[in-house]
Amino acid sequence: KQEVTQIPAALSVPEGENLVLNCSFTDSAIYNLQWFRQDPGKGLTSLLLIQSSQREQTSGRLNASLDKSSGRSTLYIAASQPGDSATYLCAVKSSGDKLTFGTGTRLAVRP
Amino acid sequence: EADIYQTPRYLVIGTGKKITLECSQTMGHDKMYWYQQDPGMELHLIHYSYGVNSTEKGDLSSESTVSRIRTEHFPLTLESARPSHTSQYLCASTGQGSLPLHFGNGTRLTVT
Repeated sequence: KQEVTQIPAALSVPEGENLVLNCSFTDSAIYNLQWFRQDPGKGLTSLLLIQSSQREQTSGRLNASLDKSSGRSTLYIAASQPGDSATYLCAVKSSGDKLTFGTGTRLAVRP
Repeated sequence: EADIYQTPRYLVIGTGKKITLECSQTMGHDKMYWYQQDPGMELHLIHYSYGVNSTEKGDLSSESTVSRIRTEHFPLTLESARPSHTSQYLCASTGQGSLPLHFGNGTRLTVT
């Protein structure tokens, strides 16, 4: 059974800092990995999707990498802003066409 | 931004009431999902559908039921709500292949 872990559970940084969020998964037989952002009381917004054949994806200040063999992905946020404060979740798509979510990293960016 | 809509946004009801949470998407997606999420906790899949007249139970046992009569519509029904059903319910959809999953804004349900 696929299990997804995100470390750290919570993170507080000053504005402008570069930061890395980590996601690890137990079964490397995945189709893709997706990073989401969730604001309090809201749904999830898709940030980046990495196919199993890819190593990384970039969108603006966000860069996600994937090392399938070691079961790890990182989300790099450059020059963090207070508006980046949210919970970030990763999810892996394995066999059966279903996603397994991590519990998320709660990020607070201090002005 | 993805076009997937959930109503109501918030709902407070008494025990024993029947409720239906609505979810609609305008992207023509075949695959639709319902997740349940308690505050600060992970998402749990409770129902999914791969097309019209196709519905399956997810990983988390739920007393709710779903229907998929039209591609764009995937309502979730609780026949008799209980306080243990208090949670946030999130609807999502995606197309065929390895495409991103799009979420609605959720329905926060409170059963008193």
